[in-house]
Amino acid sequence: AIQLTQSPSSLSASVGDRVTITCRASRGFSSGLAWYQQKPEKAPKLLIYDAVSLESGVPSRFSGGGSGTVFTLTISSLQPEDFATYYCQQYHDYPLTFGGGTKVEIK
Amino acid sequence: EVQLVESGGGLVKPGGSQRLSCAASGFTFSTYNMNWVRRAPGKALEWVSSITSSSNYIYYADSVKGRFTVSRDNAKNSLYLQMNSLTVDDTAVYYCTTDPGDGGHWGQGTLVTVSS
Repeated sequence: AIQLTQSPSSLSASVGDRVTITCRASRGFSSGLAWYQQKPEKAPKLLIYDAVSLESGVPSRFSGGGSGTVFTLTISSLQPEDFATYYCQQYHDYPLTFGGGTKVEIK
Repeated sequence: EVQLVESGGGLVKPGGSQRLSCAASGFTFSTYNMNWVRRAPGKALEWVSSITSSSNYIYYADSVKGRFTVSRDNAKNSLYLQMNSLTVDDTAVYYCTTDPGDGGHWGQGTLVTVSS
């Protein structure tokens, strides 16, 4: 199984900050990587698919990058509504796997 | 508008069974692969099972293999998860989802609590 390790597990940031979350895979693949945002008591929301494609309706301040074993989610200018937990997921191969999550908190 | 509505959660004793349903609308259900994902309290998301559009291929996480059975009824636009031999570790909110490449839609989830 492809294991995904997210870093950091949590971070504190201010409105307007640039934030980057990293997802490292135990073996490489070219795409098949998604990023989700989850707020308390809500279902996860898809932000990025195929590693770099922005889901329709998602603000352009979110971007995805990387391939192989290192993938990133970047928020160019953090907004108040972005404080949440973020997960990466690989769907390149079964079993599908998620990262451990990154909680983004207000500094 | 795509809608996924899970039902069937509740309180069940260890060793018991529960059947979850997911009613889909707003898209051509019969052409989409579907998934079950869960989130236990204080834990990360965990993939549970996937089923292809025609039920030709089915996959399970090792943690549920042999205990859970996924199925679908394309005529009823419905996805199911039969859960047997439940343990306290199966306590979680269960979500039905489409693949990320198909919009990555999620239902609101249904809570399954396994407790004596």
